[in-house]
Amino acid sequence: AQSVTQPDIHITVSEGASLELRCNYSYGATPYLFWYVQSPGQGLQLLLKYFSGDTLVQGIKGFEAEFKRSQSSFNLRKPSVHWSDAAEYFCAVGDWEYGNKLVFGAGTILRVKS
Amino acid sequence: EPEVTQTPSHQVTQMGQEVILRCVPISNHLYFYWYRQILGQKVEFLVSFYNNEISEKSEIFDDQFSVERPDGSNFTLKIRSTKLEDSAMYFCASSEQGKYFGPGTRLTVT
Repeated sequence: AQSVTQPDIHITVSEGASLELRCNYSYGATPYLFWYVQSPGQGLQLLLKYFSGDTLVQGIKGFEAEFKRSQSSFNLRKPSVHWSDAAEYFCAVGDWEYGNKLVFGAGTILRVKS
Repeated sequence: EPEVTQTPSHQVTQMGQEVILRCVPISNHLYFYWYRQILGQKVEFLVSFYNNEISEKSEIFDDQFSVERPDGSNFTLKIRSTKLEDSAMYFCASSEQGKYFGPGTRLTVT
């Protein structure tokens, strides 16, 4: 069965510092991987996705993620965090780009200190 | 940019009542979903819908739940005889190489 682990429940970074949020997945075939962001009381916004090809994917708001098959990881990065990035971040894995369910990780809450 | 919309944003209902949560997916998408997030817990898959029928459902999606696409634009989730544990944020999503989620409906069962 598919599963996603986000080892960090909370992360605090200073504004302007770099950020890396960890995500490990368990899936037997080629995974379809996603990162979503959720601000308090809001829905889930798609930041970026990986289906195939270049293992470094660029997303919105200056985020990027790198797929490492050997480590079963899909970590999210941003070189310089802004206060507006404070939110909860979810990694998810699906079995193909269109259909059926996504399995979500538990989320990482990002706090940004000024 | 097109987006998924959901109504109402917040629904309060008494235990045992029926509720209908409404969604308007992105117009050219063909796959539709409902997920829920109980406060403080993971986002959980409920059901996927394609070509006017359920394509997959989770064990959560029992006979209490049903989905419908009553016309060309709306996608609804009906919860019959609501229970306290149905209180959650319910998200609709539609898919075209990446699932796009609506803002959610917060359901509170009292």
